[in-house]
Amino acid sequence: EPEVTQTPSHQVTQMGQEVILRCVPISNHLYFYWYRQILGQKVEFLVSFYNNEISEKSEIFDDQFSVERPDGSNFTLKIRSTKLEDSAMYFCASSRTGANSPLHFGNGTRLTVT
Amino acid sequence: GESVGLHLPTLSVQEGDNSIINCAYSNSASDYFIWYKQESGKGPQFIIDIRSNMDKRQGQRVTVLLNKTVKHLSLQIAATQPGDSAVYFCAENIDQGAQKLVFGQGTRLTINP
Repeated sequence: EPEVTQTPSHQVTQMGQEVILRCVPISNHLYFYWYRQILGQKVEFLVSFYNNEISEKSEIFDDQFSVERPDGSNFTLKIRSTKLEDSAMYFCASSRTGANSPLHFGNGTRLTVT
Repeated sequence: GESVGLHLPTLSVQEGDNSIINCAYSNSASDYFIWYKQESGKGPQFIIDIRSNMDKRQGQRVTVLLNKTVKHLSLQIAATQPGDSAVYFCAENIDQGAQKLVFGQGTRLTINP
C-alpha cells in the first residue's frame, strides 16, 4: 500500500539554526499538509498546499515557516531560526482530493531544538 | 478553545470484547469526520471516516456513529485484538472548502489478554 515517507526520523538542532524536514507524499495525491504534535498534546494543523501554493495556514505558521514542492515528488517544511518551543513531532500528510478525502500521514520527524 | 474533545483519556478492555471510544465536537458546521489510530512512534493511521449527511458507517470490525444533534462521534471496535492497543483520535474538518482537520486529545485504548 502506498505511504507517505518522511526524513529524517529524528533531527536535533541548536536554537537559531534552520532545519528542513522532507516528505514524499503518495504519488497520485494532489493535496499536501504539515501538522505537528508537541509531546503529550494534540495534533495541530500547520499548513495545506495545493497546486504549488499554500491554500490554508494556521496562526502557528508564521514567517518562520515555509513550504516548498521543489520537484514532482518532494514536499518540504523549512523552519528558520528555530526556537525551543518548535520541538515537536512534525507530520506530513497527503490526500487525493481537497475536501472529504482522508489524509494519510507519514511517521513523522521528531525535531529537538536544544 | 478546544473544538474536539475526548470523554475518556484511557480505556481498557479484554481481548475479544467490543470497545467504544467517544468524541464530542463543538463546530456544528463541520461536515467531515475521521478516526485515526496512532501507535507509538508512528503517525496517525486512517481508520474510518464519515460525512455529515450520514449517521453510521461500517468498516472491517469498526463502526463510526455520528449524532449531529448532540455533536457526538463514536468509534466501535468489535472483537478487539492486541494490535488494537493504541491512541485513537477523532478529527473534524472545520473548513468545508479545505481540509483543515482539528484533532481531539486522544484516547489510549489498552487491550488486556
